[in-house]
Amino acid sequence: RKEVEQDPGPFNVPEGATVAFNCTYSNSASQSFFWYRQDCRKEPKLLMSVYSSGNEDGRFTAQLNRASQYISLLIRDSKLSDSATYLCVASYSSASKIIFGSGTRLSIRP
Amino acid sequence: ETGVTQSPTHLIKTRGQQVTLRCSSQSGHNTVSWYQQALGQGPQFIFQYYREEENGRGNFPPRFSGLQFPNYSSELNVNALELDDSALYLCASSSRTSANTGELFFGEGSRLTVL
Repeated sequence: RKEVEQDPGPFNVPEGATVAFNCTYSNSASQSFFWYRQDCRKEPKLLMSVYSSGNEDGRFTAQLNRASQYISLLIRDSKLSDSATYLCVASYSSASKIIFGSGTRLSIRP
Repeated sequence: ETGVTQSPTHLIKTRGQQVTLRCSSQSGHNTVSWYQQALGQGPQFIFQYYREEENGRGNFPPRFSGLQFPNYSSELNVNALELDDSALYLCASSSRTSANTGELFFGEGSRLTVL
């Protein structure tokens, strides 16, 4: 079983739609969680951290449920520029091990 | 731009050969992590170096080895190449502070093809 699991998609939604991605992690020792974005043939870049209390950054909302070992990302009012692969990330061992999920592909259509 | 540079950007090898990939970390960063990303997959953690010592390793065989130099640049060496080693190899640099906030700064990667 992979340490971090995501629905690979692809999600194909119209511009302006709300889309949600889910992610589960298997290692209860995981300490910190993040969402990264990776554009086609580019390197991954940090999108946002995920806190137990939930956190929001503009149109993006991230949520963590430690009891269920579940992380989510919600994108509201999606834009064409949101088309990318979204990677769920868990870290532990004092950040000496940062584990990526396989990614969820999102395609926004006009 | 992240300030992390990798070389070479592309290379082709044959089975059984050895390869060395290089990474220059962002100024001020003392930690380098290496990842393997196969097509359609997420980056897989290979290992991390902190102040010239290995500081964490993923599920990769010993033929994957690395080095970090006093200037914090790093090398990834792969011996006895196999076809499944074909992938994008990503280097990510961080400071202890940025690593704790999850921010890794990735280079653009070295794309290895093994024939």
